[in-house]
Amino acid sequence: DAKTTQPNSMESNEEEPVHLPCNHSTISGTDYIHWYRQLPSQGPEYVIHGLTSNVNNRMASLAIAEDRKSSTLILHRATLRDAAVYYCILRASLTGTASKLTFGTGTRLQVTL
Amino acid sequence: NAGVTQTPKFRVLKTGQSMTLLCAQDMNHEYMYWYRQDPGMGLRLIHYSVGEGTTAKGEVPDGYNVSRLKKQNFLLGLESAAPSQTSVYFCASSLRTGDNSPLHFGNGTRLTVT
Repeated sequence: DAKTTQPNSMESNEEEPVHLPCNHSTISGTDYIHWYRQLPSQGPEYVIHGLTSNVNNRMASLAIAEDRKSSTLILHRATLRDAAVYYCILRASLTGTASKLTFGTGTRLQVTL
Repeated sequence: NAGVTQTPKFRVLKTGQSMTLLCAQDMNHEYMYWYRQDPGMGLRLIHYSVGEGTTAKGEVPDGYNVSRLKKQNFLLGLESAAPSQTSVYFCASSLRTGDNSPLHFGNGTRLTVT
């Protein structure tokens, strides 16, 4: 499976934008880029996903490099509730039907007042 | 709408004991998954199911068995628990995978094997 590389941790001030980078140099043409986050003592939560074009939803934006070897999750205004571990994941299809998510260790985002 | 519910939330077992973790989802999802999370390791897929009556092995299936007798339930069994199975276990479900449907996770079961 193609792997992703993320910084171990990042810090941000509240109300500031946050750019969380992810490198995936071995991505294949059919791999989607997914982002999940995990708040303390909770299960992971879906944030956003994309293939080639930039994507926006109510939670965040996803900017994908033209060569797809990297991407950036953008939180437009970080709040204390955004403090979590953010996972960048490439979604590969298993033989037949199910596609699995391979989680790395993610980026721990700290948000301060 | 409860989403994905895992029971129990916490459990302590002695080596060699058995137990079953229950995952229930009320979203009529086809696919269900069991992951374990260990410090510094991220989440690793144990087993998954693409529909009622079907199961398949994931990345780390040894020591675990699963069953999907009903569409809404996915059970994870440990027949003879070992300390190496001390972990936090997460269940997830998704509508389908062909269109990259998001996974919905439960809040986990923290298992300690002594």
